[in-house]
Amino acid sequence: DTGVSQNPRHKITKRGQNVTFRCDPISEHNRLYWYRQTLGQGPEFLTYFQNEAQLEKSRLLSDRFSAERPKGSFSTLEIQRTEQGDSAMYLCASSSGGDTQYFGPGTRLTVL
Amino acid sequence: QKEVEQDPGPLSVPEGAIVSLNCTYSNSAFQYFMWYRQYSRKGPELLMYTYSSGNKEDGRFTAQVDKSSKYISLFIRDSQPSDSATYLCAMRYNNNDMRFGAGTRLTVKP
Repeated sequence: DTGVSQNPRHKITKRGQNVTFRCDPISEHNRLYWYRQTLGQGPEFLTYFQNEAQLEKSRLLSDRFSAERPKGSFSTLEIQRTEQGDSAMYLCASSSGGDTQYFGPGTRLTVL
Repeated sequence: QKEVEQDPGPLSVPEGAIVSLNCTYSNSAFQYFMWYRQYSRKGPELLMYTYSSGNKEDGRFTAQVDKSSKYISLFIRDSQPSDSATYLCAMRYNNNDMRFGAGTRLTVKP
């Protein structure tokens, strides 16, 4: 399978815990994006990388959210001190030239 | 007002019907327009991508963009039960910040 992969697929955590999600983009894609999708809504852009550089992060929801892409390949999204309002699907997408973004299956987060 | 407004649905049609899905937007800076299909608990899958005003056809799907009216549409001909999903319109500026509509949930009944 050469598509975008995300792990874990599901994460259940208690309020106040930290969580980290991983995204592996399509191998030749240099751009990687993170989105959040809540029930009944479309995906909401959070941040994106071109190679290892994070070129847009102003739309991250709070300073509890951070993302990295240290070697320009896989990326991680971390949420610190989770809150119940963080419960959502976190989607990753990748592209090779900024045009077509291909999405992964998402990580569904449930904060108890 | 949201930047991208999408008919909320849900929409239910019989198999074989023509389906029309629509979005309006407020920001004339949007240059690229996409339609994604999303099955339950899955990531969005790109269906159509257009840049200019006009029509683009791909099999049973036709995407239509009217920049003067800030209105985009997706038509599905000969709809099938397998087309049952949520359809999301999306658009972006020249950068990579893509904005999505809320999605229209479609059910095609056999």
